Amino acid sequence: QQQVKQSPQSLIVQKGGISIINCAYENTAFDYFPWYQQFPGKGPALLIAIRPDVSEKKEGRFTISFNKSAKQFSLHIMDSQPGDSATYFCAASMEPRNQFYFGTGTSLTVIP
Amino acid sequence: GAVVSQHPSRVICKSGTSVKIECRSLDFQATTMFWYRQFPKQSLMLMATSNEGSKATYEQGVEKDKFLINHASLTLSTLTVTSAHPEDSSFYICSARGTGEAQGQFFGPGTRLTVL
Repeated sequence: QQQVKQSPQSLIVQKGGISIINCAYENTAFDYFPWYQQFPGKGPALLIAIRPDVSEKKEGRFTISFNKSAKQFSLHIMDSQPGDSATYFCAASMEPRNQFYFGTGTSLTVIP
Repeated sequence: GAVVSQHPSRVICKSGTSVKIECRSLDFQATTMFWYRQFPKQSLMLMATSNEGSKATYEQGVEKDKFLINHASLTLSTLTVTSAHPEDSSFYICSARGTGEAQGQFFGPGTRLTVL
């Protein structure tokens, strides 16, 4: 059973546009929600993470929106750039953080 | 901070040989390390969780005798693919769990294994 559901599978955005990737979870015990960015042939890199006690976290052009009641969280990439083209994974975890549950990934392509 | 290295980055071996992949946390101590396998254009598939000084916990369907994991210190975990076969060809990624403020998993750059 997929603990974290991610959509869309792929996304094409014009340069300067906003990229939005959504994730949903079922287990209310999850208390840590990171997003990872992965370029081809490389390992995933932690991009930004949020805890359920806040509804939004922003770091540069990347924002996580968190809706605790709906059990959903999303990644917004503002002013998307071709260099943002990568695969993005959401994840969820709970203490003692011995396992992270990953979404299926979203392949983002930003067109110049 | 929170840098994880992985070696080698690429390895090509003949069928039947064994290959060892090292995963190191460079600037933090990792009591828990994870080993993943990733197929092209797919998500990360957790193979096993390794805790320093104890036996690794393998996910269902992962052969522990084929994928030997050793977590001998707080900064080093190794994955040995024994008697490798072409179907073992894949991208193997390790990660280490941080502590304190850095509670995310920090991934290594991955190892591309090709078995001829």
